[in-house]
Amino acid sequence: QSVLTQPPSVSAAPGQKVTISCSGSSSNIGNNYVSWYQQLPGTAPKLLIYENNKRPSGIPDRFSGSKSGTSATLGITGLQTGDEADYYCGTWDSSLSSYVFGTGTKVTVL
Amino acid sequence: QLQLQESGPGLVKPSETLSLTCTVSGGSISSSSYYWGWIRQPPGKGLEWIGSIYYSGSTYYNPSLKSRVTISVDTSKNQFSLKLSSVTAADTAVYYCARQAITIFGVVIIPQRWFDPWGQGTLVTVSS
Repeated sequence: QSVLTQPPSVSAAPGQKVTISCSGSSSNIGNNYVSWYQQLPGTAPKLLIYENNKRPSGIPDRFSGSKSGTSATLGITGLQTGDEADYYCGTWDSSLSSYVFGTGTKVTVL
Repeated sequence: QLQLQESGPGLVKPSETLSLTCTVSGGSISSSSYYWGWIRQPPGKGLEWIGSIYYSGSTYYNPSLKSRVTISVDTSKNQFSLKLSSVTAADTAVYYCARQAITIFGVVIIPQRWFDPWGQGTLVTVSS
C-alpha cells in the first residue's frame, strides 16, 4: 500500500501533452524532494527528474517536473511513441524513515 | 560511466534466505556522496524500496521488511549485498540495485534523494 498516489493510466495522441500527478502528504512530498522514474517495457527504471524539477544530462526538455504543497506533477510534451512506459514518483517519507515510490502510471500514446 | 550489476540465485525455496550481490564498476562504492540501495518489483506490480547502505555500513531499511533484511557492504570488492530471510512466494520479484543520493543534516547522512543509475535487475523466484 503506497503512500504516494498516482493515476493508473494516462493517454494522448502523438505530439500532445500529458501530465501525471503524484499525491502525498506533509511527511513525504510536502517536506522532501521528489524524483520521477521512467520504466520502459522490460527494462530497469531510469531517473527522469530529480529534486522536483531538475533533469539529468541526456533527458530532453520535453520532460518537466513541479511540486506544490503535498503534490508533484510530471509533464511530458510533444508525446512520442517511445514515451510509452510506466512512470513512478518517489520521495523520502520522514515519518516512516523510508523511501517511498508512487503507485505508478502507465502512459499510452494513442 | 558508473555501472551496477546484480548477481545471485534465480530460484530460492520458501522459508530459505535470498542472497544477492551488487557489483559496482566505473566508480568507488566508498564515495562519501552516496548511499547504495536495493529496490524490488513483483511481476506486474510497482516498485518497493528495500533498504540502503552507506560505505561505512550505516543502513536504512523499509520498516515493512526490516525484520527479515540485512544489507552489507564490502568496500574491498566494491560490492554490497542483500539478504532476505524466511522468503515466501510474495518475495518473488525483480530485484534492482542502485546508487542513491543523500541529504546531510549536520552529522546525520540520510538516503533521501534520487536513485541513479540502476542495475539491469535480476528475477528471483521463490518456489519449491
